[in-house]
Formats: sequence, structure tokens, C-alpha cells
Amino acid sequence: DQQVKQNSPSLSVQEGRISILNCDYTNSMFDYFLWYKKYPAEGPTFLISISSIKDKNEDGRFTVFLNKSAKHLSLHIVPSQPGDSAVYFCAASEHNAGNMLTFGGGTRLMVKP
Amino acid sequence: NAGVTQTPKFQVLKTGQSMTLQCAQDMNHEYMSWYRQDPGMGLRLIHYSVGAGITDQGEVPNGYNVSRSTTEDFPLRLLSAAPSQTSVYFCASRKAGGNEQYFGPGTRLTVT
Repeated sequence: DQQVKQNSPSLSVQEGRISILNCDYTNSMFDYFLWYKKYPAEGPTFLISISSIKDKNEDGRFTVFLNKSAKHLSLHIVPSQPGDSAVYFCAASEHNAGNMLTFGGGTRLMVKP
Repeated sequence: NAGVTQTPKFQVLKTGQSMTLQCAQDMNHEYMSWYRQDPGMGLRLIHYSVGAGITDQGEVPNGYNVSRSTTEDFPLRLLSAAPSQTSVYFCASRKAGGNEQYFGPGTRLTVT
């Protein structure tokens, strides 16, 4: 049973518009959440993270929102650029779970010029 | 800094063969991990290490062995490859106390 789910396998948006990627989790012990971006033939690269004590974290064009009661987080990219086209993975960890990150299945974002 | 490096980039094995995927990092990170990525499944943790001489199992450890004799290196061994191990393998490292993991470029393994 997947503890972290990204229900949209793909998303297509126009350049300049907002991209919203969603992620749901079931494990209430998760207390730290991360988003990774992955280009083809490369390893994932860290994008942005949020602790469960916050409900929002912003870094330039990227904002992550956390709704703990709904066990839901989302990544907003504004404005979207063609270079943002990649697969985005949501990941979660428990404070006392050592080195374990639990990943969602990923969402492929395509930003059209 | 080279970051996290992995060799080889591609490998084809026959069922039953053994091989070692290499991983090295030059950031002096205490924690290292191996993940496999399968379509629609995200990345799943195979084994991890919190320091030299210490390893532990992740979510999908069966069929894989690891060892951590130095801080820099964390090889992953397949003792008897099976078609179910066809996947892309990623090694990652992070500082103790940090949450951000740094990933290598991956090894694409095909077992026929």
C-alpha cells in the first residue's frame, strides 16, 4: 500500500501559467516533506521542502503548501517555464526513521512554450 | 566536488549472474542509500547506511547486499540477478541531521 501518492501521472500547462502538482500521504507519522525534480537520464535533484510545523514554504517561483488535516501537500510553480518540464517526485520522512524517504510515483510536468 | 558518482551507467546481465554497482561521494556525508526506480512506483529504498560499518535494510532489500567500509563508498551487490531486478538504481547521500538527499546519475540495469 503506497503511503505517498501522486494521483496525476502527467500535467500539461502553458508557459507563464501556474503549475500545481499534488501529493497525498497516509502515514500520520510523516513530519518532513520534500519535492524532487528529475530530468531524463539524471538523478533526482532537491527542489524544496517543508516541515510539518509549517503550512507554507516559498523559494522563488516554487511554493509548497501543507495541509496536515487533509494529509495533502502541493507544489505551485509560478510562472511555469519550459525548463520546468520534468518529472516531479513528492517524498516524506519520519523524524525517527533513520534514512528512509518514502516517495510518490511522480508526476510528469510538460510546460508548452 | 564530483558529488555522488555511480558506475556503470548501463549494464545488461543474464539471470543468475552477479555484479556490483559502485557508488562514491566526496561530500563527507555520513548517510548513504540505494534506491530503485520502477515505472509508476517512484523510488523505493533498498538499503541504507548511517556511517562506516553500519548498514540496514530498506523497503525492498531482498536479493541485494551492501557494505560500508569507508565513508566515501557504498557498493550494492546483486548475488544472483533476476529479471525482477531490471530497474534504474540510484545512490544518494546526505549529512547526518540534514533532510536533503543528493542523488547520483543512476545505473540502468537490465536482466534477461
